[in-house]
Amino acid sequence: NAGVTQTPKFQVLKTGQSMTLQCAQDMNHNSMYWYRQDPGMGLRLIYYSASEGTTDKGEVPNGYNVSRLNKREFSLRLESAAPSQTSVYFCASSAGPYYSPLHFGNGTRLTVT
Amino acid sequence: SQQGEEDPQALSIQEGENATMNCSYKTSINNLQWYRQNSGRGLVHLILIRSNEREKHSGRLRVTLDTSKKSSSLLITASRAADTASYFCATDKGAQKLVFGQGTRLTINP
Repeated sequence: NAGVTQTPKFQVLKTGQSMTLQCAQDMNHNSMYWYRQDPGMGLRLIYYSASEGTTDKGEVPNGYNVSRLNKREFSLRLESAAPSQTSVYFCASSAGPYYSPLHFGNGTRLTVT
Repeated sequence: SQQGEEDPQALSIQEGENATMNCSYKTSINNLQWYRQNSGRGLVHLILIRSNEREKHSGRLRVTLDTSKKSSSLLITASRAADTASYFCATDKGAQKLVFGQGTRLTINP
């Protein structure tokens, strides 16, 4: 049982390049999330998807786009990477919508130079 | 903006001692959750306490919630080296948009 799988694990981009972070869950969860974690800032919600076919902005959505491809997969795209997007990105899922714990992947460590 | 604020930011204790971490928040909540993060890994859910509950236990973990003071505490009893990790509280105002605090870094010394 893999849980939440994120790819890639590490990535280095140059400013202005684009990339897509992939996330898949095998728990038949309805809700999926993208967070970023920066030192001293905790985790901040970028985007979330309450159910297949819906997405909504979180606290820090600027510079990102998302796609809920199907119930299993939720991708995060950086169209034009900036150094301020250097961070660790976590995908999570939950059965949702209330009183459900989040299940996290192990993160993607992104550096933008 | 951060909803939950953990205190202390770092805590170092001897194996076998109890560890207490606190979380304060600003607005009313639906539930509060605690997570653990080992170095280089994703967060792992520990316990969820609803706004109408005051205390909850899970193994060596005890969580309390005081909605009048807008605060929660996580107690880990009889600590072990494997408990070394960062601990985060997360508040849920509804619709599952959890807001995380900055975390407490716990070190258990053998």
